[in-house]
Amino acid sequence: RKEVEQDPGPFNVPEGATVAFNCTYSNSASQSFFWYRQDCRKEPKLLMSVYSSGNEDGRFTAQLNRASQYISLLIRDSKLSDSATYLCVVNKYSGNTPLVFGKGTRLSVIA
Amino acid sequence: GAGVSQTPSNKVTEKGKYVELRCDPISGHTALYWYRQSLGQGPEFLIYFQGTGAADDSGLPNDRFFAVRPEGSVSTLKIQRTERGDSAVYLCASSLGSDTQYFGPGTRLTVL
Repeated sequence: RKEVEQDPGPFNVPEGATVAFNCTYSNSASQSFFWYRQDCRKEPKLLMSVYSSGNEDGRFTAQLNRASQYISLLIRDSKLSDSATYLCVVNKYSGNTPLVFGKGTRLSVIA
Repeated sequence: GAGVSQTPSNKVTEKGKYVELRCDPISGHTALYWYRQSLGQGPEFLIYFQGTGAADDSGLPNDRFFAVRPEGSVSTLKIQRTERGDSAVYLCASSLGSDTQYFGPGTRLTVL
């Protein structure tokens, strides 16, 4: 089983749609959780950290369920500029540690 | 301020050759990470430095891969006897303590 598994995608949605990405992770020792965004031929950039209480940043909402080892990202009112690959990421172990990435889910927002 | 920089941006080499990839982290960042990203995959961890020492090199695929960070700043990833399967984008990231990792633009390595 891969350490981080994501929806395979791609997701093609119209502007204004709400889209949800799901992710599961296998290492119960992971302490930090993130969603990164990666544009084509660019480096990954942190979109948001994910906390147990859930957190929201504008149109983006992230949720974490430690018991189920499940992470989600919800994007409301999709914009064309949201088109990118979204990477689910956990840390390898506690503290200052390397990151373990999912394969990524590609989102295309269509006018 | 300046972000993480990597050189070269692209490297084309022949099978069997030696290559060096350089990473300049954000000034003051103590932790430096190397990852490798193949087409259609997420980045995969290679090695992590805390200061000058390699804190975790468990991701290096074999002994052809080696990395150094002699002064705790710039790092060089070295690949000996390159193989076609080494072709990928090599990403470097740095962080201050356990804070967010910031990635450089990567070096696209092509082994012919």
